[in-house]
Amino acid sequence: ETGVTQSPTHLIKTRGQQVTLRCSSQSGHNTVSWYQQALGQGPQFIFQYYREEENGRGNFPPRFSGLQFPNYSSELNVNALELDDSALYLCASSLEAGANIQYFGAGTRLSVL
Amino acid sequence: QKEVEQDPGPLSVPEGAIVSLNCTYSNSAFQYFMWYRQYSRKGPELLMYTYSSGNKEDGRFTAQVDKSSKYISLFIRDSQPSDSATYLCAMSAGDSWGKLQFGAGTQVVVTP
Repeated sequence: ETGVTQSPTHLIKTRGQQVTLRCSSQSGHNTVSWYQQALGQGPQFIFQYYREEENGRGNFPPRFSGLQFPNYSSELNVNALELDDSALYLCASSLEAGANIQYFGAGTRLSVL
Repeated sequence: QKEVEQDPGPLSVPEGAIVSLNCTYSNSAFQYFMWYRQYSRKGPELLMYTYSSGNKEDGRFTAQVDKSSKYISLFIRDSQPSDSATYLCAMSAGDSWGKLQFGAGTQVVVTP
């Protein structure tokens, strides 16, 4: 076990709705990264948070946003859901920003109907 | 063209055989190379981590990096049915934020 937990495990939403996914990082890790993994694909980097600030962003629109809290927990928010947002969303925690060794949670599977 | 290419498989091998996996990449800035294992409905689990070119061995696993050819490999010796999973290669340029670039993953099936 990596010590990274995500909730919920599975979520079903309809197009246009908003969703919040949650992640609890490994204790002592001040950096969290979020990835989107479509079926049959590798994870795609969404963004990273370091000490509660966005530290880098992949090629995702602004309707993907995040928050990181002092207690090692974080959120991924997606507004105006689209069908293509259906995927496994993974969070990964690491000791420091820029750290390549990242520990992944089991993910939240989001289905958009 | 994707930055990281990986054959999706499936790759089917008999128990005890050597599993050979590889990835090619196009970005010469990549310096850190990782292999993750992902079981169905689970998150990726880090198996191997290497920096720059060379070989690294850990138990039944050997990772190789050839930066001149932009090619990395993972070998699994004495494969077991429990090794059946999707194997993802990942790479990073090692800049100020640890963005990992993943391949699409290779599905491996080890048959008893």
